[in-house]
Amino acid sequence: NAGVTQTPKFRILKIGQSMTLQCTQDMNHNYMYWYRQDPGMGLKLIYYSVGAGITDKGEVPNGYNVSRSTTEDFPLRLELAAPSQTSVYFCASSQGTSGSGEFFGPGTRLTVL
Amino acid sequence: AQSVTQLGSHVSVSEGALVLLRCNYSSSVPPYLFWYVQYPNQGLQLLLKYTSAATLVKGINGFEAEFKKSETSFHLTKPSAHMSDAAEYFCAVSEQGYNKLIFGAGTRLAVHP
Repeated sequence: NAGVTQTPKFRILKIGQSMTLQCTQDMNHNYMYWYRQDPGMGLKLIYYSVGAGITDKGEVPNGYNVSRSTTEDFPLRLELAAPSQTSVYFCASSQGTSGSGEFFGPGTRLTVL
Repeated sequence: AQSVTQLGSHVSVSEGALVLLRCNYSSSVPPYLFWYVQYPNQGLQLLLKYTSAATLVKGINGFEAEFKKSETSFHLTKPSAHMSDAAEYFCAVSEQGYNKLIFGAGTRLAVHP
């Protein structure tokens, strides 16, 4: 099992550009999540999904979009990149049973200049 | 609303000394509690979790945590620190029946020879 994989590992964007962060899991987990991590701030939930075709906003969804067409994939879309979106982005998945915990990918470090 | 407070953004110990990382939570219903570890440039890895069974929870790498309802705490301990324990540690909470985690801001542990 590869677990949760994310691509790319690093990316530099110019203000106003768009990009998609890819996330794939091979554990057949129904639940998937996107977080951003800023220094000293812990992790903030951007969006999550409880299954294919179902997504919902987390704590900091503005400026992002997601889709979930398959169980395995949960891409995160930035439409108009802004410097405030400079962060490390983590994708995670879980079985979805209460208390199961989440498995995290290695992260994508994004810089917007 | 749920919240997590980690006391001390940086903790420094000597190799072989006791490790104590503090976590207090706020939840209106019985919580599930988690500790994650993040090594440099990696994703988060689950150390241990409390899901309303035994209040003393043992995790990987010799870590353990005790759930104390009266103190709303879930402190992480390890009797003897190793150099390899140097990392950032995150406490997280979720409500029973829900599948979203609320993370603390993290504590960076340094271990000195």
